[in-house]
Amino acid sequence: EADIYQTPRYLVIGTGKKITLECSQTMGHDKMYWYQQDPGMELHLIHYSYGVNSTEKGDLSSESTVSRIRTEHFPLTLESARPSHTSQYLCASSGYRDTGELFFGEGSRLTVL
Amino acid sequence: GDSVTQMEGPVTLSEEAFLTINCTYTATGYPSLFWYVQYPGEGLQLLLKATKADDKGSNKGFEATYRKETTSFHLEKGSVQVSDSAVYFCALSVGGTSYGKLTFGQGTILTVHP
Repeated sequence: EADIYQTPRYLVIGTGKKITLECSQTMGHDKMYWYQQDPGMELHLIHYSYGVNSTEKGDLSSESTVSRIRTEHFPLTLESARPSHTSQYLCASSGYRDTGELFFGEGSRLTVL
Repeated sequence: GDSVTQMEGPVTLSEEAFLTINCTYTATGYPSLFWYVQYPGEGLQLLLKATKADDKGSNKGFEATYRKETTSFHLEKGSVQVSDSAVYFCALSVGGTSYGKLTFGQGTILTVHP
């Protein structure tokens, strides 16, 4: 069973607010990822990290930022939320052995009014 | 760039029917291929995978064979159950330093009726 947790599960906020989506894993995985899942269900990689102090932008441009100060923690921040940021955000991690398996959290569904 | 195309859904079946969800891909190099499943209200979880041509991945009665000549990785199950109702994603990873950076298809919703 995967041990990766995301909070909040659901968030409704107004335009212009700053938000942080939390993601933590207890598996000691080096690699962590953020995917954005649009209403049509398609998943797009927006950020990834291969270890502490390592972060990279993914294939889909995003106004969000991430940090990786601790191995287990990979938060995503939006400085000023807009309705276009409304989406589901999925955090994932994978281990050193690179089996190709990602372990996903349950997701954070963000709605910006 | 790399891409994955899944058959358009949603797919609705009766219990014990045969299931096929088509998946084709475009990739540079030699990708590993995956099927992930997302049950209602949950995150994605790996269903099966294949890492080289002609490999067959299998799990929970589902199977998929890596076909390099047709660049396909179709998902099949001989007899579906109501509990198989979920969204299914085909995905690829090109390996090396990109390992873990998955490219996903658009997902296929499967609904199985009793």
